[in-house]
Amino acid sequence: AQTVTQSQPEMSVQEAETVTLSCTYDTSESDYYLFWYKQPPSRQMILVIRQEAYKQQNATENRFSVNFQKAAKSFSLKISDSQLGDAAMYFCAYSGSARQLTFGSGTQLTVLP
Amino acid sequence: EPEVTQTPSHQVTQMGQEVILRCVPISNHLYFYWYRQILGQKVEFLVSFYNNEISEKSEIFDDQFSVERPDGSNFTLKIRSTKLEDSAMYFCASTVSDSYEQYFGPGTRLTVT
Repeated sequence: AQTVTQSQPEMSVQEAETVTLSCTYDTSESDYYLFWYKQPPSRQMILVIRQEAYKQQNATENRFSVNFQKAAKSFSLKISDSQLGDAAMYFCAYSGSARQLTFGSGTQLTVLP
Repeated sequence: EPEVTQTPSHQVTQMGQEVILRCVPISNHLYFYWYRQILGQKVEFLVSFYNNEISEKSEIFDDQFSVERPDGSNFTLKIRSTKLEDSAMYFCASTVSDSYEQYFGPGTRLTVT
């Protein structure tokens, strides 16, 4: 079974600074997808970024980028120029052949003004 | 932009009662999912549904749970006899056939008293 681990329950960052959230996963599959979802206080799950395992290039979406290290099974999220609206719970998630998402336990990000 | 919708947003029920949570996935999506998030915990997979049948289910999805796509647009989750520990946020998600990217609804908060 696949597992996803987020070892940082809480992180904080100063507005306009950069923060990196960590995620590791365990799988025996070679073809899979990884995602970061954002959950604000409204509890809506919002897709932030996705990475296909077969792509060597790290995904980027505006201020959000990932560092995908397939051999190390590591998938970190970097948020540049942090904004107050980035404050939320961030979940790392895995999707493989069974398609359903396996989530990590989340990292609560606080953005300090 | 098309979105997944869920009703009701909040349901309060008494222990032992049956509840039906409703979801309208994005119209051209073919895979449907239910997830659960107990307050303060990670999001957990319940069940996936494709081609009018369950494709995967977790150990949480016991005989008290059932899913149905009664009319080609709605996707429902029924809990036959609710327990206190069923109190959680329930998310519906959907995806097109060739994508692993799941789009989440806003969730239904279920409170069992």
